[in-house]
Amino acid sequence: GAGVSQSPSNKVTEKGKDVELRCDPISGHTALYWYRQSLGQGLEFLIYFQGNSAPDKSGLPSDRFSAERTGGSVSTLTIQRTQQEDSAVYLCASSPGTSGGPRQETQYFGPGTRLLVL
Amino acid sequence: EDQVTQSPEALRLQEGESSSLNCSYTVSGLRGLFWYRQDPGKGPEFLFTLYSAGEEKEKERLKATLTKKESFLHITAPKPEDSATYLCAVFQTGNQFYFGTGTSLTVIP
Repeated sequence: GAGVSQSPSNKVTEKGKDVELRCDPISGHTALYWYRQSLGQGLEFLIYFQGNSAPDKSGLPSDRFSAERTGGSVSTLTIQRTQQEDSAVYLCASSPGTSGGPRQETQYFGPGTRLLVL
Repeated sequence: EDQVTQSPEALRLQEGESSSLNCSYTVSGLRGLFWYRQDPGKGPEFLFTLYSAGEEKEKERLKATLTKKESFLHITAPKPEDSATYLCAVFQTGNQFYFGTGTSLTVIP
């Protein structure tokens, strides 16, 4: 496919369990972003990858959240010991990257993973 | 504190009734301002990028403008299919994106 894909599309889990969310960016895009969108809220920046490295982890809400990216492509966001307040839509976006200058920063979003923690 | 504010939160228009959405920002080191459209249950869809004050972009019934402190998204003669939430985001030096909370637009036939 040509767009950003995310899996699963929906995830229901019990409080205290770990979850993994996956993002497949557009082929060739070097920058990848994770956001969280809670009901009625704006997008909350979580983490940004340039290639496989994450120069900015300041948005991760707690040490229960971690993310990695391998091969400059697929990224996984892991939430350990989930809490009810983690329920939200987790959105991934990719962009061509900064090497081309500001005009490469347009982000293309995936459909999101809807996480519900019971 | 860096901030992006969108107004109004919600807007109801009759089909054909033109209006404007506002995005004001206080971030420093602006590298670009983006407008997105988000339909329920979907990820945001890119509309425009503006890079400098005075710049304008147009696409069908939408026109985006930028000043040093705010951006406007003008909707001319809207149709029901323009109903969506419109998000504004600023891209700052340091690769930080700041999103507003959006304007929910409803166009009534």
